Amino acid sequence: EVQVVESGGGLVKPGGSLRLSCEASGFNWISYTMAWVRQAPGKGLEWVSSIRRGGENTHYAESVKGRFTISRDNAKNSVHLQMNGLRAEDTGDYYCARVRARYYGAGTSHCVDVWGNGTTVTVSS
Amino acid sequence: QSVLTQPPSVSAAPGQRVTISCSGNNSTIGDNYVSWYQQLPGTAPKLLIYDNDKRPSGIPDRFSGSRSGSSATLGITGLQTGDEADYFCGTWDSSLDVGVFGGGTKVTVL
Repeated sequence: EVQVVESGGGLVKPGGSLRLSCEASGFNWISYTMAWVRQAPGKGLEWVSSIRRGGENTHYAESVKGRFTISRDNAKNSVHLQMNGLRAEDTGDYYCARVRARYYGAGTSHCVDVWGNGTTVTVSS
Repeated sequence: QSVLTQPPSVSAAPGQRVTISCSGNNSTIGDNYVSWYQQLPGTAPKLLIYDNDKRPSGIPDRFSGSRSGSSATLGITGLQTGDEADYFCGTWDSSLDVGVFGGGTKVTVL
């Protein structure tokens, strides 16, 4: 069964740090870009960060640049999100996401075809 | 404020058809392929449409997608009570080099 499972969420004070982890199984890990997508309570989805297959290319939303770092361990089929300098607006559910990335002549296609169940991050004093 | 613009809500009676629009610009939908997601209450999102108009295995053909210029549309025919959910469009932003989503549209079956 193809699945990704998140862990590491919790309650943290503003300015604190948290490290999210995601373990994958059931598919050829090295073939996929992986991403983190978050959702604030009652709000829409936000693409937080993504990392390509070899780990050489990473991308970040402007809202987290300089504070969050994505990494992957291809030996352990896992991806991590180190979150520093956390703010109240970082509160929400964080989903680990498998990305189907294709590069066509007419543009690129990035869609999340496998989602985890999410882990909740609460930033509050 | 989401990069892609969707109506907050749409509604229709059972069996009817609804469409959800998603508006972007030249660096988002105008330059890249669109995907659509369904999020049932209390659950993670699920992929409904990818590459503008393709359905993953298991998604019924009541769901369809299209793209024209910098906009995209999701259509749902034969509306069912089980279709009540939030629907999000998504694509890549070639300028920001990051994925982007719409703000979501809540579908209500009257």
